[in-house]
Amino acid sequence: ELKVEQNPLFLSMQEGKNYTIYCNYSTTSDRLYWYRQDPGKSLESLFVLLSNGAVKQEGRLMASLDTKARLSTLHITAAVHDLSATYFCAGLQGGSEKLVFGKGTKLTVNP
Amino acid sequence: DTEVTQTPKHLVMGMTNKKSLKCEQHMGHRAMYWYKQKAKKPPELMFVYSYEKLSINESVPSRFSPECPNSSLLNLHLHALQPEDSALYLCASSYVGGGSNQPQHFGDGTRLSIL
Repeated sequence: ELKVEQNPLFLSMQEGKNYTIYCNYSTTSDRLYWYRQDPGKSLESLFVLLSNGAVKQEGRLMASLDTKARLSTLHITAAVHDLSATYFCAGLQGGSEKLVFGKGTKLTVNP
Repeated sequence: DTEVTQTPKHLVMGMTNKKSLKCEQHMGHRAMYWYKQKAKKPPELMFVYSYEKLSINESVPSRFSPECPNSSLLNLHLHALQPEDSALYLCASSYVGGGSNQPQHFGDGTRLSIL
């Protein structure tokens, strides 16, 4: 069964700094997702990563996937306060519609 | 705007009540999901419907009863819930098989409190 581990679970950073969130998964996954969740709100899809070497960028966020290492990263460039949220990675369990989430990374960007 | 609509947004019920959560989408998705999310935790999958048939039940207690009347609607019937069932219940939808590069789309959720 697919297991997804994220680290760090908590991240406090200053505006303007760069940082990376890591997502490891245990078995082959058909695809890897990144979601954002603001407090009391639903999940917003950020990226869908399908293949080895996939890299996607949106604004200050860039996600990548290394299927051989079973690792996805979410890189934050020049953080701003509006990026404060909880970020989840999730893998699709092979051959099913089951999405397995990591525990989430709570990001706080301080002025 | 959320393309998956859930009602009600908030629900308070006693342990002996019967209530239903509703979810609707008009994106042509044929897979629909119920998740439970406790505070400061990730969403946990409860049920998956694929082409209006129940395809995954994650060993959910029978006091939760899902129903998919048609391809746009998903219900979750609640009966004799326990205080530990208080949580945010999220509905999601997607193309079956993930539809190449399409994610699951989540509704805003129903915040459920059991007295």
